[in-house]
Amino acid sequence: DIQMTQSPSSLSASVGDRVTITCRASQSISTYLNWYQQKPGKAPKLLIFAASSLVSGVPSRFSGGGFGTDFTLTISGLQAEDFATYYCQQSDISLTFGPGTKVDLK
Amino acid sequence: VQLQESGPGLVKPSGTLSLTCTVSDSSMYSYYWSWIRQTPGRGLEWIAYIYDTGSTKFNPSLESRVTISLDTSKNQFSLKLNSVTAADTAVYYCARGVGDGYIHWVDPWGQGSLVTVSS
Repeated sequence: DIQMTQSPSSLSASVGDRVTITCRASQSISTYLNWYQQKPGKAPKLLIFAASSLVSGVPSRFSGGGFGTDFTLTISGLQAEDFATYYCQQSDISLTFGPGTKVDLK
Repeated sequence: VQLQESGPGLVKPSGTLSLTCTVSDSSMYSYYWSWIRQTPGRGLEWIAYIYDTGSTKFNPSLESRVTISLDTSKNQFSLKLNSVTAADTAVYYCARGVGDGYIHWVDPWGQGSLVTVSS
């Protein structure tokens, strides 16, 4: 099994801040890594696929990067609608999700 | 594209959890169709997917208890999870998957269906 970890587990930020979330895989997964956003009571929504490809319609303030075992999701200029929980997901072996990073208002 | 889960919200321990996902405004061909569940304790857990050809893939930890099926004539796919316990209480999501080689992402998702295992 490939285990996914995320750091931090939660963070507090203000509108306009630059926020970076890290996702780490227990073994190399190339760029087989996707990012999702989930708001309370809603299903997750895909933001980025294949580590760095932005889904059509997702604001350009979201960006992803990384290769192998270490990946990042960056929000450049946090907006009010971005307060949510973010999950990474690998697909190299089976499909597994990270534990999530909750972004809330400072 | 819209996905909608349906099925009993309450299942007795040792029983079988059964859910159906109805897909609107999307062909079922050339996509993977997944079931994923979420609990506060275990987070998001992928259960299984089925491709339009009928080929399947399962989470190894659940494989022995899971059946997944596809009915393209009704634009539906279904999940059965047997021998359930309280640990299977979760919000169950159906979702559409896209894959090319090893990369596989899931979008969109249904709204989720809370299933409680209790006597």
